[in-house]
Amino acid sequence: QKEVEQNSGPLSVPEGAIASLNCTYSDRGSQSFFWYRQYSGKSPELIMSIYSNGDKEDGRFTAQLNKASQYVSLLIRDSQPSDSATYLCAGYAGNMLTFGGGTRLMVKP
Amino acid sequence: GAGVSQSPRYKVAKRGQDVALRCDPISGHVSLFWYQQALGQGPEFLTYFQNEAQLDKSGLPSDRFFAERPEGSVSTLKIQRTQQEDSAVYLCASSLEVLGNYGYTFGSGTRLTVV
Repeated sequence: QKEVEQNSGPLSVPEGAIASLNCTYSDRGSQSFFWYRQYSGKSPELIMSIYSNGDKEDGRFTAQLNKASQYVSLLIRDSQPSDSATYLCAGYAGNMLTFGGGTRLMVKP
Repeated sequence: GAGVSQSPRYKVAKRGQDVALRCDPISGHVSLFWYQQALGQGPEFLTYFQNEAQLDKSGLPSDRFFAERPEGSVSTLKIQRTQQEDSAVYLCASSLEVLGNYGYTFGSGTRLTVV
């Protein structure tokens, strides 16, 4: 079992809707969490980080962390076709980021 | 430099050939990481450097894989006697902070195809 788990998708949402991406992790020593966006054939790009329980908002993106439930999520409001990509969840522990397998998001016009 | 630079962008190697992949991190970044990303998968940790010291190499899949960062800046990942299962994108990332707890900046990666 991977230490960071994500549903591989694809998650399909209509343009303008809210996309909800979820991630669970097994290492309770994980100190912080990150969401990366990866377009096909490109490298991962950091879009959100979250370090404490609760919500963190940045523009159309909201990251949520619940350490008791070992759960991280990313909400994308007003989804755009340009948001179509694979979203990678990562937890930081032991000097490294451990990534999930990614969720492919498709936003349909 | 402005970003993490990796070369070559693409490499095709015949099985059994040795390859060397280069990473030039952002100037002044202390931490440097190598990851391997197979098609359709998330990146998998290979190794971590703090300056020139290789502090963690637990992710290297076999003794055919070797990484170095002799002067604490440019790093090279070497794969000896390449096998088909080594085909993947090799990503390098760097971080200003020692622990890299604030996320990494990734390079564009090297896509290795072993034929």
